[in-house]
Amino acid sequence: DAKTTQPNSMESNEEEPVHLPCNHSTISGTDYIHWYRQLPSQGPEYVIHGLTSNVNNRMASLAIAEDRKSSTLILHRATLRDAAVYYCILRDPTYGNKLVFGAGTILRVKS
Amino acid sequence: DAGVTQSPTHLIKTRGQHVTLRCSPISGHKSVSWYQQVLGQGPQFIFQYYEKEERGRGNFPDRFSARQFPNYSSELNVNALLLGDSALYLCASSLRTWGDTEAFFGQGTRLTVV
Repeated sequence: DAKTTQPNSMESNEEEPVHLPCNHSTISGTDYIHWYRQLPSQGPEYVIHGLTSNVNNRMASLAIAEDRKSSTLILHRATLRDAAVYYCILRDPTYGNKLVFGAGTILRVKS
Repeated sequence: DAGVTQSPTHLIKTRGQHVTLRCSPISGHKSVSWYQQVLGQGPQFIFQYYEKEERGRGNFPDRFSARQFPNYSSELNVNALLLGDSALYLCASSLRTWGDTEAFFGQGTRLTVV
């Protein structure tokens, strides 16, 4: 399983943008980059995914480096509800939808 | 639309007992996966089922088994419970099994083994 590296924790102020980095230097050409988050006492929640191009949805943006060895999840205006553990995951399409979770990044949002 | 539902939400079992956890996927989703999350760690993959067939198995002992029913709901069974089986058990459903598909998780079943 391809590995990702994320900072253990990050802190942000409310209403400010947050950039959550993820390194995946061993990514293969077919791996999708997925982000999930887990709020306290809840199951993980899908945030966004991409393959090569940058992606936007109502929750966040995903910026993917040209060489695909790193990516950044961007929350445009952090709110207290965004405080969660954020997981960056690589998904090999040939092995179905098994998700390999690492330790993730704990995001703290200050008011 | 109802999301992924899991039952029960909490339960307490004694070492050596058997437990059955249940999951109903989102309507139209044919793939169900099970994960175990120990406190302080990320979820660990246990099983994946698609169209009632096992498509993947994680590194868990044979005490863990699962099945998927014709209506795509699923059960996770754990025999001979150990204290170390205490965890949050999560079920996730997806439309299909490809890597470009998002997974939707339930709230989980909190299992405590005493």
